[in-house]
Amino acid sequence: ETGVTQSPTHLIKTRGQQVTLRCSSQSGHNTVSWYQQALGQGPQFIFQYYREEENGRGNFPPRFSGLQFPNYSSELNVNALELDDSALYLCASSLATGVYNEQFFGPGTRLTVL
Amino acid sequence: DQQVKQNSPSLSVQEGRISILNCDYTNSMFDYFLWYKKYPAEGPTFLISISSIKDKNEDGRFTVFLNKSAKHLSLHIVPSQPGDSAVYFCAASDSGGGADGLTFGKGTHLIIQP
Repeated sequence: ETGVTQSPTHLIKTRGQQVTLRCSSQSGHNTVSWYQQALGQGPQFIFQYYREEENGRGNFPPRFSGLQFPNYSSELNVNALELDDSALYLCASSLATGVYNEQFFGPGTRLTVL
Repeated sequence: DQQVKQNSPSLSVQEGRISILNCDYTNSMFDYFLWYKKYPAEGPTFLISISSIKDKNEDGRFTVFLNKSAKHLSLHIVPSQPGDSAVYFCAASDSGGGADGLTFGKGTHLIIQP
């Protein structure tokens, strides 16, 4: 069973640029959630995708957007990067079954905005 | 406004003793609670969970207790082992872990002393 993978591991961008982060779900999972973890904080929910549609969203501005593909992999796009966007971005996959669905996390992408 | 609070940033426990990690929440709509463990450079790993209809759940060395009236939960690890040294996150959900994602605390760094 393949776990959740994310790419790239690290990247550095400058303020105002755009970035795309990628996530491959665990085999058999159909739901992907993205979280932002700033230094010294817990992960904060950005949004969730189920069957290629955004299924829920946390308190993040529209410049944070995403996609889910037919194979359930996902992308997180951030436009007009700000210094405060520097964080660890975590992807989590789960299988929606109608009851509580445990989320399995990837190792994360460390984004630094200069 | 933090809805999930872990008030101890760090905790040091001797190997073989009991580790008790605490978590408080403010949102009475939370109906599912989870504990995740995180090593450096890895994503959070699910440890144990509890539904709001229960007050205790046990899995091997790990037990989670839920006190709904006090809006408090705790994770007990007995006996503590060196491999338990990690950051532990308390998380909660008000939608069965669905579209609203998980709400995390800031984490407690557990250090197991030999």
